[in-house]
Amino acid sequence: AQKITQTQPGMFVQEKEAVTLDCTYDTSDPSYGLFWYKQPSSGEMIFLIYQGSYDQQNATEGRYSLNFQKARKSANLVISASQLGDSAMYFCAMSSQGSNYKLTFGKGTLLTVNP
Amino acid sequence: NAGVMQNPRHLVRRRGQEARLRCSPMKGHSHVYWYRQLPEEGLKFMVYLQKENIIDESGMPKERFSAEFPKEGPSILRIQQVVRGDSAAYFCASSKIGLLGGEQYFGPGTRLTVT
Repeated sequence: AQKITQTQPGMFVQEKEAVTLDCTYDTSDPSYGLFWYKQPSSGEMIFLIYQGSYDQQNATEGRYSLNFQKARKSANLVISASQLGDSAMYFCAMSSQGSNYKLTFGKGTLLTVNP
Repeated sequence: NAGVMQNPRHLVRRRGQEARLRCSPMKGHSHVYWYRQLPEEGLKFMVYLQKENIIDESGMPKERFSAEFPKEGPSILRIQQVVRGDSAAYFCASSKIGLLGGEQYFGPGTRLTVT
């Protein structure tokens, strides 16, 4: 069974500052993937970044980076230079072959960027 | 290249009626996943289908819910005799192949309201 835990129901950050959204996971599969999705108020799910369990380097996509600490089973999302448009719900998710690649999501973190 | 299409975007049903939600995957994608998002929660997996096959329905409620992905046409999630607790956003996602890191592309969702 897979489990994702996001312990921050809400976070605030000042525009142009960096913010870290926490995510811890649990799985018995040796091979798995970790994902972050953004859900703005309009409701769509937007893929942000992916990290494979065997990837040596932390994933980066523009202003997004994933701080992957395998021993701690954490996959925190770092957003640099926050923008007002970053205000949204952020979901951490994972999948594995043993789970038929279905995504297991955390409960999400609501990020608010203040001007 | 059209993305994942879902229709209708909003659906209102009275208790006891049937709801049919449609999902057209991206071109070339043969794997479809359905997820449900209850208010204030993350997405929860319901069912995983390939053309004409249900691969994993471990997240489907035992009664009233069914899904199909025929050889031709969209995937259908069918909810019979809807109840108020079925009110949620239903998302489908498609991927090219079942693959770790194979990105699942999400549709815009169908918001079901049961009155």
